[in-house]
Amino acid sequence: EAGVTQFPSHSVIEKGQTVTLRCDPISGHDNLYWYRRVMGKEIKFLLHFVKESKQDESGMPNNRFLAERTGGTYSTLKVQPAELEDSGVYFCASSQDLDIGYGYTFGSGTRLTVV
Amino acid sequence: AQSVTQPDIHITVSEGASLELRCNYSYGATPYLFWYVQSPGQGLQLLLKYFSGDTLVQGIKGFEAEFKRSQSSFNLRKPSVHWSDAAEYFCAVVNTGNQFYFGTGTSLTVIP
Repeated sequence: EAGVTQFPSHSVIEKGQTVTLRCDPISGHDNLYWYRRVMGKEIKFLLHFVKESKQDESGMPNNRFLAERTGGTYSTLKVQPAELEDSGVYFCASSQDLDIGYGYTFGSGTRLTVV
Repeated sequence: AQSVTQPDIHITVSEGASLELRCNYSYGATPYLFWYVQSPGQGLQLLLKYFSGDTLVQGIKGFEAEFKRSQSSFNLRKPSVHWSDAAEYFCAVVNTGNQFYFGTGTSLTVIP
């Protein structure tokens, strides 16, 4: 089966611009997660979708970040306007159910650089 | 609060040498612990996980990890490192909401 797909793989934008990251989970996985790794720091949780609903968005850093999952399939994460500190690698993961750690598959990430 | 500490930012080992990557966790209940690896251009790949039972866990690619509750540790080991093991390694604990808490990662360089 196809894994979790993220694109673009890299994005370089100027401060103040808008960027949209996309994640395609494994087909049939209701749970979709976004994580972020800022340079030199740990990978941190951003939010969790169950189908199209936001189950937990406690990790979203501020209101410049908007995540959507229309139709419960792919998800987008929009940053508007982007700031320098938003640079990092954004990971998406999906799982079929909520058994702890079960079947949690990560994508290869989107490396975002804000200049 | 949950947290994971990986004290070694970067480690260099010779090919064929043994490897141990350290991981300490802080978690109020029984921890569910993981090791992931990220090779360049790849996603996070699960190496192994510990939920309960035998404290020595075997994973893929010849890796193993030992859970030591008294030391709050979950160190990753491999008896003989291969050049293809060069990557970044992440230890993580997951909470009941299936949310992962990762360490800052350890970058492994393997020299011939």
